[in-house]
Amino acid sequence: GENVEQHPSTLSVQEGDSAVIKCTYSDSASNYFPWYKQELGKRPQLIIDIRSNVGEKKDQRIAVTLNKTAKHFSLHITETQPEDSAVYFCAAIGGYQKVTFGIGTKLQVIP
Amino acid sequence: KAGVTQTPRYLIKTRGQQVTLSCSPISGHRSVSWYQQTPGQGLQFLFEYFSETQRNKGNFPGRFSGRQFSNSRSEMNVSTLELGDSALYLCASSLERTEAFFGQGTRLTVV
Repeated sequence: GENVEQHPSTLSVQEGDSAVIKCTYSDSASNYFPWYKQELGKRPQLIIDIRSNVGEKKDQRIAVTLNKTAKHFSLHITETQPEDSAVYFCAAIGGYQKVTFGIGTKLQVIP
Repeated sequence: KAGVTQTPRYLIKTRGQQVTLSCSPISGHRSVSWYQQTPGQGLQFLFEYFSETQRNKGNFPGRFSGRQFSNSRSEMNVSTLELGDSALYLCASSLERTEAFFGQGTRLTVV
C-alpha cells in the first residue's frame, strides 16, 4: 500500500523567514496531494492541494511543488507569521480515494 | 451548507466497554473516512465508506468497525475498549478525489 513520509517532524523559524516541509510517497498511482493545517484544538483544514498533472501551485504565501519522477512533494511558506504556527499534514490519494497522511510537522514561528 | 458533524464531542468509557461514534457528512458527499489521532502518531486511517460499502481499510484490529447508511451518515464502533484507544477520532467527508472536510472530532477517553 501507499506510504507517505514527512519531514521534518518539528520546525522552528523566525517570523518573516521561509518554511519548507517535504513529503515522499511510494505509490505511483497516487494523483492528488493535499496539505492540511491543524491549529491547536481545531480540525485539520485544507490549505493547498496539487494534482499529478501539475508541477507547482501557488496561493499567496503558500506554494506546493510536485516531482512525480522522484515521488516527492513539498510545501513552501514564505514570509512566515505567528499565525502560521500549527501542525501541517501532507497526504497522498490514490485509487479508490485511499488517503494516506504523513506523520505531521509541527511548525513554530517565533516572533 | 452545514459542515461535517460528529457526535458526541467527548466521551469517557471504561476498559472493556464498547462505543459508537457518529458522523454526518456534508450533504452530497458520499465518501466518509475515519481517522484516529494521537499525539506523535499523526492521523491514522481507520477506514473509508462510499455508498454504504467499505472501500478502504487501515491497519487496525477487528475491534474497530464501521458502517454507512443510505443517507451517507456513518458510524464507527469500537468494542472491548483498551486504554490505548484513547484518542481524538476524526471523520472526513468528500466528493471523489477532492478535498476532505473534517469534523470537529470525538475525544474518547478510556479509563
